[in-house]
Amino acid sequence: AQSVSQHNHHVILSEAASLELGCNYSYGGTVNLFWYVQYPGQHLQLLLKYFSGDPLVKGIKGFEAEFIKSKFSFNLRKPSVQWSDTAEYFCAALWPGGSQGNLIFGKGTKLSVKP
Amino acid sequence: EPEVTQTPSHQVTQMGQEVILRCVPISNHLYFYWYRQILGQKVEFLVSFYNNEISEKSEIFDDQFSVERPDGSNFTLKIRSTKLEDSAMYFCASSEVRQDIGFYGYTFGSGTRLTVV
Repeated sequence: AQSVSQHNHHVILSEAASLELGCNYSYGGTVNLFWYVQYPGQHLQLLLKYFSGDPLVKGIKGFEAEFIKSKFSFNLRKPSVQWSDTAEYFCAALWPGGSQGNLIFGKGTKLSVKP
Repeated sequence: EPEVTQTPSHQVTQMGQEVILRCVPISNHLYFYWYRQILGQKVEFLVSFYNNEISEKSEIFDDQFSVERPDGSNFTLKIRSTKLEDSAMYFCASSEVRQDIGFYGYTFGSGTRLTVV
C-alpha cells in the first residue's frame, strides 16, 4: 500500500540552527510530493510541492526540499530557523496516475524552536 | 488567491446527534475531498467526490458518513449519529485535474473542529 513516513516525531532546535526533516514515500510510480505546515490552532498551509523537473524545490518562508528518487525521499530543509517556525510539519504524497487524488500524509513532525 | 471556505470553524454536538459540516470549494475545481485529523494524529483521507458521486472512500467513511453537493457551490459532510471518537478537525479540500500533470492546485480549507460530548 502507498505510504508516507516521517521519522522524526518531535524536533527541538535553537533559533538560527539548520533544519532537516525527513520524509520517505513508498514506491508506486510517478509521485507528487508536498510539505504542509500547521501552526498552532491553524489550518494546513502548503509550504512547497514537487510535481516534476528540478528536484530542488523552493517554497515559502525560506523552506526548500529535495526530491531524491533513488532514496524515495523528499526532505524539508531550512538553513536558519526562527521561533516563528514552531509548528507541525506534514509530508504528503499523491500518486496521480492510479489514485483518485487523495493525499497520503505522514504522521507529522512537531518542530519547537527555542528563542 | 482562491480559498476553500469551511463553516463553522468549531462545532460542539452531543453524542448521537447529526452534524453537517459545510465547505465551499474553489469555483473551477471539480474534485472535492474530506480529510480528518484526530488530535495528535495524522491527517487521514475520508472521501473524494467527482461528478456528483463518491469516487473513492476510506475505511473510516462508513454508513454514518455521507457527502453531498446540494447546489453549485457547497460541498457537505454529514455525520448521522455522532460518536465521541468522531471528535476531530475535519478538512475540506478541492483540486482540478490537468491532462499533463494530473491533480493540480490542491487546496485545503481552514478546517472545522468537531467536538462530540
